[in-house]
Amino acid sequence: AQKVTQAQTEISVVEKEDVTLDCVYETRDTTYYLFWYKQPPSGELVFLIRRNSFDEQNEISGRYSWNFQKSTSSFNFTITASQVVDSAVYFCALSELNTGNQFYFGTGTSLTVIP
Amino acid sequence: NAGVTQTPKFQVLKTGQSMTLQCAQDMNHEYMSWYRQDPGMGLRLIHYSVGAGITDQGEVPNGYNVSRSTTEDFPLRLLSAAPSQTSVYFCASSGGHLQETQYFGPGTRLLVL
Repeated sequence: AQKVTQAQTEISVVEKEDVTLDCVYETRDTTYYLFWYKQPPSGELVFLIRRNSFDEQNEISGRYSWNFQKSTSSFNFTITASQVVDSAVYFCALSELNTGNQFYFGTGTSLTVIP
Repeated sequence: NAGVTQTPKFQVLKTGQSMTLQCAQDMNHEYMSWYRQDPGMGLRLIHYSVGAGITDQGEVPNGYNVSRSTTEDFPLRLLSAAPSQTSVYFCASSGGHLQETQYFGPGTRLLVL
């Protein structure tokens, strides 16, 4: 079973629109960490955010915001006023404290921002 | 700091050939790992190491070997390349343990014919 599900394979938006990327995770651990990474067309993986399971506060960083809801096992990522430079593949990932040193990635959401 | 470096950037192999993908980090990180990225499958963990002399298998270890003789280096060896190993390989490192943020190298694109 997928530990991390990113149901949206591809999304296209017009520049300046807001867009939300969904991430649903599955874990039995009470202590876990969630991550978002960005992979632009150049191919490198860029770290965006890390969240632990005890911190449900939403976070905002510029045009980026993250909504963590333990009740629905979701860690969604919203880009406000999207720009062409936001075009990339975005990965959500999960790390569990008590089940060994495994790091699980979702299959990614490819975002295209149309000028 | 160079961060995490990987060589080569691109490699073509014939079936049955062997090769080593190099990974090095200069951040004195204890944890290092190797992933492969295939279309539609995200990144999957191949092997990881929690420190020099210690390695363990991830989700897809078959066909790959690793060793960790120093903190800085974590090479990935393909003993007998197969077309199924055509992929993009990423090395990553993190400070203390898996729950720390992992920083990735630029990747190695491998084509096995």
